[in-house]
Amino acid sequence: QQQVKQSPQSLIVQKGGISIINCAYENTAFDYFPWYQQFPGKGPALLIAIRPDVSEKKEGRFTISFNKSAKQFSLHIMDSQPGDSATYFCALYALNFGKGTSLLVTP
Amino acid sequence: GAVVSQHPSWVICKSGTSVKIECRSLDFQATTMFWYRQFPKQSLMLMATSNEGSKATYEQGVEKDKFLINHASLTLSTLTVTSAHPEDSSFYICSARGLRGYQPQHFGDGTRLSIL
Repeated sequence: QQQVKQSPQSLIVQKGGISIINCAYENTAFDYFPWYQQFPGKGPALLIAIRPDVSEKKEGRFTISFNKSAKQFSLHIMDSQPGDSATYFCALYALNFGKGTSLLVTP
Repeated sequence: GAVVSQHPSWVICKSGTSVKIECRSLDFQATTMFWYRQFPKQSLMLMATSNEGSKATYEQGVEKDKFLINHASLTLSTLTVTSAHPEDSSFYICSARGLRGYQPQHFGDGTRLSIL
């Protein structure tokens, strides 16, 4: 089974700061790299996704960067807000999920 | 936007009971639905992939006879946990993907299953 390695496991950021979560993968067969946001007791929600033909995609405060040669993609949350406090998962398509990053944004 | 409805959201039942969980795509047709299991503070583990009109494909280590999946239509897939035992207690989540191209996954809100 393809593996994704997500880091860090947990992250504490002050309000207004930048949150950065990284994901590394092994298999290049996939061509859809999403990030999901999950709040306690809820299912994951697609936050942003990228195809490997672009290196960066921005949607509002959320940016996903993709480095095909390094087999890595990352999520940047600009101007982090307390409401962004959640668990974030990277995935290969929707089949293999990273272990998750618990983000806490402090006021 | 696209919505996936999962029902029930929470179920408590006695050991030995069979429990059915429904996953419906409300405003799009889903050729493929996925079923996941999630333990507290852990990641999602794919259990099986369900394609409309065909048998589900189970991931290694998932008991087919324990977790029965039916994808009878383009908007409905069901997961039945047969003869449930306390170790089957978990958070079960479904997701659905639309018909064309690189459609994003849409997830249900999960079902909290507690077996006493």
